[in-house]
Amino acid sequence: EPEVTQTPSHQVTQMGQEVILRCVPISNHLYFYWYRQILGQKVEFLVSFYNNEISEKSEIFDDQFSVERPDGSNFTLKIRSTKLEDSAMYFCASTPAFRTGGEQYFGPGTRLTVT
Amino acid sequence: GQNIDQPTEMTATEGAIVQINCTYQTSGFNGLFWYQQHAGEAPTFLSYNVLDGLEEKGRFSSFLSRSKGYSYLLLKELQMKDSASYLCAVNSGGYQKVTFGTGTKLQVIP
Repeated sequence: EPEVTQTPSHQVTQMGQEVILRCVPISNHLYFYWYRQILGQKVEFLVSFYNNEISEKSEIFDDQFSVERPDGSNFTLKIRSTKLEDSAMYFCASTPAFRTGGEQYFGPGTRLTVT
Repeated sequence: GQNIDQPTEMTATEGAIVQINCTYQTSGFNGLFWYQQHAGEAPTFLSYNVLDGLEEKGRFSSFLSRSKGYSYLLLKELQMKDSASYLCAVNSGGYQKVTFGTGTKLQVIP
């Protein structure tokens, strides 16, 4: 069964550094998402991406964040100048066609630790 | 703004039935998700309700009342592996944005 993959599984970085989190969505999916979940807290929407552009973003997704689909398979989240409060699990998700059922397939997540 | 409420914790017995409620207040409601999340893992899709009524999928059923801003997830024949957090999430406004509740941590006991 196809699945969403994410790399790395765990990333440790120093405050102020830039990180890139990588995701490979399911190949025939059209919509892609990034969520984050701070330990012990709820899942929070960051951004959705369709047709090579951002379709929606939350208040969390400020200028520190950017997303890119550099080729036909990868979907990346870049966090510039990381802060301690960016430490969280970051989930990528994809869906074939949102309006027809809405099932979002989540990747296993990348645990980001900012020290 | 949006507000999603669900109980923080519940405990139920193996083999029993449990109902997890979710109430929401939102503008531009499109649909409601239920996800299961085991500790340290990613959410797993359970259901997506757009219209009022009950949808059954094996041991799991989900109900939606749009007029009441209310949904529930019903789990039958509980198994120990059902111990997890159950997340209610609302799709509203633009179709691409999903807002999650804080989740209900269900513990199944023998």
